[in-house]
Amino acid sequence: GENVEQHPSTLSVQEGDSAVIKCTYSDSASNYFPWYKQELGKRPQLIIDIRSNVGEKKDQRIAVTLNKTAKHFSLHITETQPEDSAVYFCAIRKAAGNKLTFGGGTRVLVKP
Amino acid sequence: DTAVSQTPKYLVTQMGNDKSIKCEQNLGHDTMYWYKQDSKKFLKIMFSYNNKELIINETVPNRFSPKSPDKAHLNLHINSLELGDSAVYFCASSLQGQRGEKLFFGSGTQLSVL
Repeated sequence: GENVEQHPSTLSVQEGDSAVIKCTYSDSASNYFPWYKQELGKRPQLIIDIRSNVGEKKDQRIAVTLNKTAKHFSLHITETQPEDSAVYFCAIRKAAGNKLTFGGGTRVLVKP
Repeated sequence: DTAVSQTPKYLVTQMGNDKSIKCEQNLGHDTMYWYKQDSKKFLKIMFSYNNKELIINETVPNRFSPKSPDKAHLNLHINSLELGDSAVYFCASSLQGQRGEKLFFGSGTQLSVL
């Protein structure tokens, strides 16, 4: 079945530095890899996603990289700002079916 | 004009009681979900409905019963509440198919069982 491991569970960075979160998965049939951001007391919201036919995608200060051979994908946040402080979740979805399986989450704290 | 709305936002109740959470989406999506987020923030899918048909039913106690009267609504009824049911329950919706993987979450219902 689907399984996704997310590391680290907490990440503290200085404002302006970069943050990297990594997820590894076991099911090679996974073909969709989104990242969700959940601010304190709020709902999770999609910030970026990537499909299995793409190796990298960027959107301003955030980027996602995918290594299908090694079965891992990562979220990169550059020039971090205090408003980037949140819990970030990776997720995977198999080609068939609509079920998204989430990683355990990474609590990111950006210190001013 | 909230896209996915769920009520109530907070629910405090005693063990053994029965309670319901309601969810409605106005996005025209055909698939709706219930997720449970525990105190460690882990998000786990419970149920999914597509056009009123149950398509995902994870290992959830029988005390939890979802109901979808139409594709815009998905309610969750919980019988005989237990302490371990305390969590935040998120409703979500999406369009089935490759173009519709993005999940739109409701604002959550914080359930506290005393």
